Amino acid sequence: GENVEQHPSTLSVQEGDSAVIKCTYSDSASNYFPWYKQELGKGPQLIIDIRSNVGEKKDQRIAVTLNKTAKHFSLHITETQPEDSAVYFCAASRAGGGADGLTFGKGTHLIIQP
Amino acid sequence: KAGVTQTPRYLIKTRGQQVTLSCSPISGHRSVSWYQQTPGQGLQFLFEYFSETQRNKGNFPGRFSGRQFSNSRSEMNVSTLELGDSALYLCASSLAVGNSYGYTFGSGTRLTVV
Repeated sequence: GENVEQHPSTLSVQEGDSAVIKCTYSDSASNYFPWYKQELGKGPQLIIDIRSNVGEKKDQRIAVTLNKTAKHFSLHITETQPEDSAVYFCAASRAGGGADGLTFGKGTHLIIQP
Repeated sequence: KAGVTQTPRYLIKTRGQQVTLSCSPISGHRSVSWYQQTPGQGLQFLFEYFSETQRNKGNFPGRFSGRQFSNSRSEMNVSTLELGDSALYLCASSLAVGNSYGYTFGSGTRLTVV
């Protein structure tokens, strides 16, 4: 089955700086790569996703890049703010019927220092 | 519009008992998936239901089961509870089977087995 590795496990950045979280996946058939943000006491919230026919996607301060050849994808957050502090999860799946659900990375605890 | 609603939010059960958790998806969403979240194993896929049928299943023992009703609401049941079943159980709904449209997660049910 799919295996997703996520790094780093903890990331501390100064407010206003950029943060980058990286993930690798093992199943070349995976074609859907979402990123989730989880705040304390809440469920994960989808913040951005990318499909395998796209190399990069951006939404305001958040961007995701995908390298299918190397089987890795990254989340980039620019101009970080205190409300960006949370745990971020990457995931991979073969979208559509027959998929085995999302396979998640272990998460990155992002800490924004004031 | 209302989000994904999970009840109860917290539950304490004794080893050997059984438990039923409930999930009401976003109106119009017909797919409901369940995940287990623990500090050690992270987020793991349990199963997915669509049109009252289990479509996909993760690698969990038969003690974990679920069902979906005609209004798309879903329940999951865990029988003969073990200490290791203590976890946050998350429900996610989406428009269609698989992950093509992304999930919306509920806030989860925190199960503690003593």
